[in-house]
Amino acid sequence: EDQVTQSPEALRLQEGESSSLNCSYTVSGLRGLFWYRQDPGKGPEFLFTLYSAGEEKEKERLKATLTKKESFLHITAPKPEDSATYLCAVQANSGGYQKVTFGIGTKLQVIP
Amino acid sequence: ETGVTQTPRHLVMGMTNKKSLKCEQHLGHNAMYWYKQSAKKPLELMFVYNFKEQTENNSVPSRFSPECPNSSHLFLHLHTLQPEDSALYLCASSQDIGEDQPQHFGDGTRLSIL
Repeated sequence: EDQVTQSPEALRLQEGESSSLNCSYTVSGLRGLFWYRQDPGKGPEFLFTLYSAGEEKEKERLKATLTKKESFLHITAPKPEDSATYLCAVQANSGGYQKVTFGIGTKLQVIP
Repeated sequence: ETGVTQTPRHLVMGMTNKKSLKCEQHLGHNAMYWYKQSAKKPLELMFVYNFKEQTENNSVPSRFSPECPNSSHLFLHLHTLQPEDSALYLCASSQDIGEDQPQHFGDGTRLSIL
């Protein structure tokens, strides 16, 4: 069974204090790994797709990396507006359907 | 604006009521999904539609009944719900179920069962 584990569950940072969120996965036939951001009262907002080990993607203060077992979301010099829950999801082969399995997320709070 | 619109945003209903959730996507996608999101749990896939045909029913109780009249619209009909069905219901769309493309989500319907 595909599994996605995110850590930590919650993270509190001072503004400007860089850190990383972890997403560990166990899946047969990884097709892609996705990162989403979810604000309170909103749906998940797509950030990145990573397809193969060694791949990196960047967007403003966020950088996502991928290995064969885990992905990291690095946040450089975060600002209060980066506060949100960050979700990781993996897409794998499951018959004819590309099944997507989500983690429970990391709730990030950035203090001014 | 995500391109996926869900209505209503909030719904309070009794256990004997019948209501429907609506989802509309303006992204030209062919696949649509219903998810349930509860506190401290990962998103739980409920149904998948591809080109209006249901391709996945993730052992969802029959009190939830999906309908997909075309590739742009998806409904979730609710009847005789239980208190444990209170959750955020999210609709998503993607280009196709066979493509390695991300799903794009609406902002959900917050459902409360009295």
